[in-house]
Amino acid sequence: QSVLTQPPSVSGAPGQRVTISCTGSSANIGAGYNVHWYQQLPGTAPKLLIYDNNNRPSGVPDRFSGSKSGTSASLAITGLQAEDEADYYCQSYDSSLSAYVVFGGGTKLTVL
Amino acid sequence: QVQLEESGPGLVKPSETLSLTCGVSGYSISSGYYWVCIRQPPGKGLEWIGSIYHSGTTYYNPSLKSRVTMFVDTFKNQFSLKVTSVTAADTAVYYCGALDDSSGYGAVDYWGQGTLVTVSS
Repeated sequence: QSVLTQPPSVSGAPGQRVTISCTGSSANIGAGYNVHWYQQLPGTAPKLLIYDNNNRPSGVPDRFSGSKSGTSASLAITGLQAEDEADYYCQSYDSSLSAYVVFGGGTKLTVL
Repeated sequence: QVQLEESGPGLVKPSETLSLTCGVSGYSISSGYYWVCIRQPPGKGLEWIGSIYHSGTTYYNPSLKSRVTMFVDTFKNQFSLKVTSVTAADTAVYYCGALDDSSGYGAVDYWGQGTLVTVSS
């Protein structure tokens, strides 16, 4: 059972917009810790997609955006493309047993 | 550009100790970042194992803390992980990473390619 909750799967057609939620609690996201997002293409290592809630590393298309409110965060992908099909993970910190790194369970994005 | 490369045994017997070494290139391990170990069981999600700073300060996942040790070798520019008393539940792809230390609560900016460690007799 992950500390951060994500939907197991989402899907969308090419060109559409999809969002992936990441729900936490007052001990993690709600405590003000930043949320980060990673994309994991099949058979590869995760790659940083969004850092500090809503910032894109160099090279990440602006089709990807992040937001945070209260105890939740979201990743939005617009103009969906076939190459976006991957697993997506959110990550933050949790203060319940000292501030340690926590991940969401991951969301599989299928491009129809 | 920080590059990380994991090296490990591939196969470990139950009850034995898993040892993983993470080599760092393109960056001095003493210059910054928290150096992290993260694992992913086959078909499952990511689990943070622990973090270590170049000073040797460590942070471990409470669920693994009794079995995990991380240490850093600044001369070889690498860090290492040991997990004792392994079981089949420790079978996973193990990743090394560099976690941004500027805020104390940063992201894993760089990842190694990962190495599969299987626990089996």
